[in-house]
Amino acid sequence: DAGVTQSPTHLIKTRGQQVTLRCSPISGHKSVSWYQQVLGQGPQFIFQYYEKEERGRGNFPDRFSARQFPNYSSELNVNALLLGDSALYLCASSSGPLDYSNQPQHFGDGTRLSIL
Amino acid sequence: GIQVEQSPPDLILQEGANSTLRCNFSDSVNNLQWFHQNPWGQLINLFYIPSGTKQNGRLSATTVATERYSLLYISSSQTTDSGVYFCALREGGKLIFGQGTELSVKP
Repeated sequence: DAGVTQSPTHLIKTRGQQVTLRCSPISGHKSVSWYQQVLGQGPQFIFQYYEKEERGRGNFPDRFSARQFPNYSSELNVNALLLGDSALYLCASSSGPLDYSNQPQHFGDGTRLSIL
Repeated sequence: GIQVEQSPPDLILQEGANSTLRCNFSDSVNNLQWFHQNPWGQLINLFYIPSGTKQNGRLSATTVATERYSLLYISSSQTTDSGVYFCALREGGKLIFGQGTELSVKP
């Protein structure tokens, strides 16, 4: 079975632009979460979606938004890009919502976003 | 919120050596995961270990939730073990990660 897949793998944008990152969860998983990892730090939680509804939001500005589709895939959108948005963006899936499920999260390989 | 601290921050080993990585956390929780992030950035599940001990090949992990710590043991280290090791705990609907232990295994 395929793991969590993310696209694109690498992306270069300039300040002020908008970007959309995509994630497909493991088959059968209904929960998708997004994390941002800047160089030298651990991943930081951005969003969790379960059954197409937002279940949690981290401490990120409104420039960050996400959605989940009926097939449980997800998109993360970032508007008005800043230099500080340069990071590895990770998507994770699990079978149930993290606040109720005791199942582990599985991560994709990430999208490396560079802002010039 | 939950605080997660890992030690040591960096570790350099000769191939074949053993090591112990530690994760301390601020609340008594029952949902700890260990991850390995390889030099290419892939974050790989090692263990989901709310409590007790688990082993997978050369790696094993022990969590004592009541004393708020977990240990990851790496035996007979190999160069492919290099990378950053994270522990993470669940708080509500999110994982809280430690700052990681960066391991470098020299041939």
